[in-house]
Amino acid sequence: DLQMTQTPSSLSASVGDRVTITCQASQDINYYLNWYQQKPGKAPKLLIYDASKLEAGVPSRFSGSGSATHFTLTINSLQPEDFGTYYCQQYPDLRFGQGTTVDLK
Amino acid sequence: VQLVESGGGLVKPGGSLRLSCAGSGFKFSDYYMSWIRQAPGKGLEWISYINSDGNTIDYADSVKGRFTISRDNAKNSLYLQMNSLRVDDTAVYYCARRAAIFEYWGQGALVTVSS
Repeated sequence: DLQMTQTPSSLSASVGDRVTITCQASQDINYYLNWYQQKPGKAPKLLIYDASKLEAGVPSRFSGSGSATHFTLTINSLQPEDFGTYYCQQYPDLRFGQGTTVDLK
Repeated sequence: VQLVESGGGLVKPGGSLRLSCAGSGFKFSDYYMSWIRQAPGKGLEWISYINSDGNTIDYADSVKGRFTISRDNAKNSLYLQMNSLRVDDTAVYYCARRAAIFEYWGQGALVTVSS
């Protein structure tokens, strides 16, 4: 079975920091990887699709990279509204990573 | 685009519940639709999708044989019939547009399975 391993599970950061979250697939998934942001009590929101494509309306400080088995979500200059939990998700198996919670240092 | 779930609630183990998701702001009949759930304090789990005309359906192993997805394009609605519910089915259930990239999500419906 395909497994998605997301690291770290949590991190503390300050406003203005550069944050990097990694998602590793147990097998080659090409570029079929999406990233979502979820805030407490809210539905997830799509940020990045197909590994590196920015969803419309998402600030350009968010970027995604990677292919095959290794993927990265980067947030440049973290803003107060960026705190929350981030999930990677691959397709077509539709597996999610375990999530990374970003909180205030 | 708006997706609004309804039908959540408290049900006893072994019971049944039917969730609905009303779509608006887009041509509902053009899109695959999905259900995704999140247990309290846990991560996201895809559970089912259905294609635009209802002829292609898939389920996660965790719900196969117990849950049934369906849609009514005339009513712009998606459904999830949940039978033989277990305590570990307790979660917020989200409907989402599409089935590879979950573009838009509803606000979620809480299903609690408890005696």
